[in-house]
Amino acid sequence: QTVVTQEPSLSVSPGGTVTLTCGLRSGSVSTSYYPSWYQQTPGQAPRTLIYSTNTRSSGVPDRFSGSILGNKAALTITGAQADDESDYYCVLYMGSGISVFGGGTKLTVL
Amino acid sequence: EVQLVESGGGVVRPGGSLRLSCAASGFTFAGYGMTWVRQAPGKGLEWVSGINWNGGSTGYADSVKGRFTISRDNAKNSLYLQMNSLRAEDTALYHCARAGYDFWSVPLGPWGQGTLVTVSS
Repeated sequence: QTVVTQEPSLSVSPGGTVTLTCGLRSGSVSTSYYPSWYQQTPGQAPRTLIYSTNTRSSGVPDRFSGSILGNKAALTITGAQADDESDYYCVLYMGSGISVFGGGTKLTVL
Repeated sequence: EVQLVESGGGVVRPGGSLRLSCAASGFTFAGYGMTWVRQAPGKGLEWVSGINWNGGSTGYADSVKGRFTISRDNAKNSLYLQMNSLRAEDTALYHCARAGYDFWSVPLGPWGQGTLVTVSS
């Protein structure tokens, strides 16, 4: 059973920078896992932010960026705004047509 | 405008079946993979299944393998999820999402608003 790990919760001050990570319980995340990131606010459908490690989806502001940091995928929000307060999920491609979501990170902006 | 609209959800007894549909518009449906993602009440997102552009390749989460079948009809711009032997733990809001051509199991968006499946006796 593949387990994708994310911080359960993080907080950031308005205008600050925060990095969310996406790892594997066993092993390292590389670009081969095609890490992708999603934002979801309560009652809404998810919104795709980043795919293929660092490609921003259409309309996503450039204060959202993706990367590989060490052995994990990372989503960095620079200049956090109040409406960035959301749940954030990553997904990793495991091969053979299988993808797995992480458990999600609840981001608080305060 | 690119749009995905799910339908077919409802209340079903354990062991029962449902068929979900996702109607696509505003893009060349046959040029993309498609995925189903679900979210149980108060829980996180769970990848369920993916299908490549022509239906020739599919993938399933372990939790649904052998019970769910994904399919598509490119002539009708529609994606389907046949769900059999339903369990209480399948209760969730089911979203369809457009995927890529190569990484067809990774949701790239857009996403539909979802259809609710409730499995209860």
